[in-house]
Amino acid sequence: DAMVIQNPRYQVTQFGKPVTLSCSQTLNHNVMYWYQQKSSQAPKLLFHYYDKDFNNEADTPDNFQSRRPNTSFCFLDIRSPGLGDAAMYLCATSGGPFGEQYFGPGTRLTVT
Amino acid sequence: SQQGEEDPQALSIQEGENATMNCSYKTSINNLQWYRQNSGRGLVHLILIRSNEREKHSGRLRVTLDTSKKSSSLLITASRAADTASYFCATDEGGTALIFGKGTTLSVSS
Repeated sequence: DAMVIQNPRYQVTQFGKPVTLSCSQTLNHNVMYWYQQKSSQAPKLLFHYYDKDFNNEADTPDNFQSRRPNTSFCFLDIRSPGLGDAAMYLCATSGGPFGEQYFGPGTRLTVT
Repeated sequence: SQQGEEDPQALSIQEGENATMNCSYKTSINNLQWYRQNSGRGLVHLILIRSNEREKHSGRLRVTLDTSKKSSSLLITASRAADTASYFCATDEGGTALIFGKGTTLSVSS
């Protein structure tokens, strides 16, 4: 089945220790998104790629970076995680920028 | 970035009852979407309604859109315990990507 896969599902990192979250898709979608979602809040868009074009939201901290080496994979790098970065990180894809989005199951990040 | 507003924030009903949740937005849109999120999981797309549509159905779901009032409603008929989840609306009013509202948490008890 075509899908969006996120690894790992749960990630524990230490304060200040770089961490990378990964996302892959078999849908061959042009657009990939990274969202941060804290408890009982809406998903907050961090950035998205339209093909190789990178779009950073204005309020995304510099601590967050992303890479999309090919159509199928996208990575979220958090260079120096703080306690406030503990959240669910959701990856999503869509065929176009305003179309239906397909979400992965998320990675729950804990910062100790 | 602007964000839609869902209303109510939380809703508790009994199985078999209908659940209605509303979403408002601020500027013009091309489409509005509704998503469901079960606890600790990713979001699942439910339905997309375009700005030139007034009503859309999918199974037990009915979505309406009133562009003059900049609002939409999601009706779930004959609700089941499995409908317990958070429901989010999302619009393209942001201009570059979807903007999600704050969500309505629905609890259906048997």
